[in-house]
Amino acid sequence: KQEVTQIPAALSVPEGENLVLNCSFTDSAIYNLQWFRQDPGKGLTSLLLIQSSQREQTSGRLNASLDKSSGRSTLYIAASQPGDSATYLCAVSKIGGSYIPTFGRGTSLIVHP
Amino acid sequence: DAGITQSPRHKVTETGTPVTLRCHQTENHRYMYWYRQDPGHGLRLIHYSYGVKDTDKGEVSDGYSVSRSKTEDFLLTLESATSSQTSVYFCAISDLKGGQYFGPGTRLTVT
Repeated sequence: KQEVTQIPAALSVPEGENLVLNCSFTDSAIYNLQWFRQDPGKGLTSLLLIQSSQREQTSGRLNASLDKSSGRSTLYIAASQPGDSATYLCAVSKIGGSYIPTFGRGTSLIVHP
Repeated sequence: DAGITQSPRHKVTETGTPVTLRCHQTENHRYMYWYRQDPGHGLRLIHYSYGVKDTDKGEVSDGYSVSRSKTEDFLLTLESATSSQTSVYFCAISDLKGGQYFGPGTRLTVT
């Protein structure tokens, strides 16, 4: 059974810092890996989707990498801003599994001015 | 924007009453999902659908049923609501790349 772990569970940083959120998974037979953002009381917003054949994806100040062999992904946020404060979740989907993902518990990020 | 809406957005109901939540999508995606999200448990899959009239159970399906009579609508029914079903319910779709996209959620309180 796939297990997804996100470290750290919580992070507080000053504005302007570059930061890295980590996601690890136990079964490397994945179809894709996806990073989400969730603001308090809101739904999940997709940030980046990495297919199993890809190594990274970028969107603006966000860069996500994927290393299937080691079962790891990182989400890099450059020049963090208070508006980046949210919970970040990663999810991995298995091959041949109706795209059903396994979610991590998330990293709660606070960026203070 | 995956064009997903959920209704109602908020609902308070009494124990023992049936409740139906609706998920509507505008882009004809084949796969649709219902999750619940609770503190300490994260996101858990209730049921999912892989086509009209084709559904299957997730990890927390007891006490829930679903129906999908049209591509665009996926209904979640709590047959007899209990306090343990107080939660936030999210609908999601998968696109052709297998990425998941979520609706805004329904906050359900069972008193």
